[in-house]
Amino acid sequence: DTGVSQNPRHKITKRGQNVTFRCDPISEHNRLYWYRQTLGQGPEFLTYFQNEAQLEKSRLLSDRFSAERPKGSFSTLEIQRTEQGDSAMYLCASSLDQYSNQPQHFGDGTRLSIL
Amino acid sequence: DAKTTQPNSMESNEEEPVHLPCNHSTISGTDYIHWYRQLPSQGPEYVIHGLTSNVNNRMASLAIAEDRKSSTLILHRATLRDAAVYYCILRDVRSGNTPLVFGKGTRLSVIA
Repeated sequence: DTGVSQNPRHKITKRGQNVTFRCDPISEHNRLYWYRQTLGQGPEFLTYFQNEAQLEKSRLLSDRFSAERPKGSFSTLEIQRTEQGDSAMYLCASSLDQYSNQPQHFGDGTRLSIL
Repeated sequence: DAKTTQPNSMESNEEEPVHLPCNHSTISGTDYIHWYRQLPSQGPEYVIHGLTSNVNNRMASLAIAEDRKSSTLILHRATLRDAAVYYCILRDVRSGNTPLVFGKGTRLSVIA
């Protein structure tokens, strides 16, 4: 079990730039989730996939954010025209299937800092 | 998902048991109680879950009140590595594996 892998671990960029994060889930997991966490808060849901289908997007996911999961394997989260408020930890998780008692397995996140 | 209430922080001495409480007075009959924890600079990790009966695994024990309106996560011998934020989360089994709804959790400090 190699776990959920996220890259890069840290990203520093200037306001207005585009950034893209990658998440590699545990190989047999068909659900993949993106969360965002700011300092002192618990993670907040952004969006999630069942295989390649995006099932739901949070109201937090503005039109500057887009997520994809081509072929139902890895996923990317892109933020266009970054703003100061986008500074956060972006967490990815995966789970084996759609049953609620299956635990979600998290990566260690990508920390985004906007200068 | 129904709401949970946890203390903001707790402190424990190393090698002593820790009881982390969670109140969930509006829990429904189909809500499972899940616990996750988040170590510093890491993503959350699953700890344990239960419905009605007490549960044990290698990491912790979960004690569920008879009326299910509260539960307690028990770490039998706290180590420095157990210093983390602990989240109590209700999951409705009818909803499937939808995204987790995290509160602020309880920050556990372990003193050597």
